[in-house]
Amino acid sequence: RKEVEQDPGPFNVPEGATVAFNCTYSNSASQSFFWYRQDCRKEPKLLMSVYSSGNEDGRFTAQLNRASQYISLLIRDSKLSDSATYLCVVITTSGTYKYIFGTGTRLKVLA
Amino acid sequence: DTGVSQDPRHKITKRGQNVTFRCDPISEHNRLYWYRQTLGQGPEFLTYFQNEAQLEKSRLLSDRFSAERPKGSFSTLEIQRTEQGDSAMYLCASSSSGPYEKLFFGSGTQLSVL
Repeated sequence: RKEVEQDPGPFNVPEGATVAFNCTYSNSASQSFFWYRQDCRKEPKLLMSVYSSGNEDGRFTAQLNRASQYISLLIRDSKLSDSATYLCVVITTSGTYKYIFGTGTRLKVLA
Repeated sequence: DTGVSQDPRHKITKRGQNVTFRCDPISEHNRLYWYRQTLGQGPEFLTYFQNEAQLEKSRLLSDRFSAERPKGSFSTLEIQRTEQGDSAMYLCASSSSGPYEKLFFGSGTQLSVL
């Protein structure tokens, strides 16, 4: 079983739609969580950190469920420019700080 | 530009040749990571440095791969006797040394082994 799992998609949604992605992790000792965005043939860029209490940044909301070991990303009012791959990242701190990436979920926002 | 920089951006080589990539992290960052990414996959962890010490290396990494960070600043990743399966994007990232620090990536080196 992979340490971090995501549905690869693609999720094809119309402009203005709300879309949600989930990501599950297997290591219950995982300490910290992020969502990164990656455009085609570009490097990953930080989208947002994920806090235990949940957090929001404009149209983006991230949530963490430690009991079920998953994190989620909700995008409201999707824009064409949101089309990208969204990578879930988990930090395990068993002696070192290792950032483990999921395979990513591809989002296509359609006009 | 004070971001993470990688050189070269692209490398084409023949099977069996050795290649070396360089990464210059953000100057105040003492953690440096190397990842490999193939199409349709997320970045796969290769190795990690805290200053000049290599603290972890993926079990998936063969002995043909070696990385150094001699003075705790820039890092090099060398692949010896390249194989076609080594073709991938090699990404370098850096972070500061706090417990939950964000990772910043360079633009990557795209390796093609013919």
